[in-house]
Amino acid sequence: EVQLVESGGGLVQPGGSLRLSCAASGFTFSSYWMHWVRQAPGKGLVWVSRIKNDGSSTSYADSVKGRFTISRDNAKNTLYLQMNSLRGEDTAVYYCARDLYGDYVDWGQGTLVTVSS
Amino acid sequence: EIVLTQSPATLSLSPGERATLSCRASQSVSSYLAWYQQKPGQAPRLLIYDASNRATGIPARFSGSGSGTDFTLTISSLEPEDFAVYYCQYRSNWPPEYTFGQGTKLEIK
Repeated sequence: EVQLVESGGGLVQPGGSLRLSCAASGFTFSSYWMHWVRQAPGKGLVWVSRIKNDGSSTSYADSVKGRFTISRDNAKNTLYLQMNSLRGEDTAVYYCARDLYGDYVDWGQGTLVTVSS
Repeated sequence: EIVLTQSPATLSLSPGERATLSCRASQSVSSYLAWYQQKPGQAPRLLIYDASNRATGIPARFSGSGSGTDFTLTISSLEPEDFAVYYCQYRSNWPPEYTFGQGTKLEIK
């Protein structure tokens, strides 16, 4: 059974940093592109970032470019999102998702990030 | 940048009725369109990929159609567990673009 478990969310002040993790199991992690998708409270889904299966290529939404960094450790079956210079508009539930030909076939349960003073 | 517009914003129907949800793209997306279902407090779930293919484990009452700019998700006979928010999504590998529509809330009438 595929499992994606996010962690690392919490309350952080504006301008602060946070690192999210997504522990994967039940599939060959190193074979799949992975994504982060976020959802502000009461709002819709927004793509944040993606990383190629071997970590050699990354992409970001314009809203987070230069502030967020996606990475992965295939030996630990874990995906990361380093978030710096956080803003109020970054407040959201952050989901990791497994990519199969561009579609999100599996999702984690999400971790809530709240940016507030 | 492609914009996806879903309609209606809210759809009120009764169990057993047929639901038709629409997603319109600002320019052609070919068939690179997926549909997701999200229930309160849960992660989204993939229903339909490439416009018309049901994902693994998705009941046959869910079907997708369309290509180019106009797409439809149809639920042939609503079950109580189908009342949720539905999102369409366009995806492009290069340049990377993963755009969601704003969602349609399907509520019990």
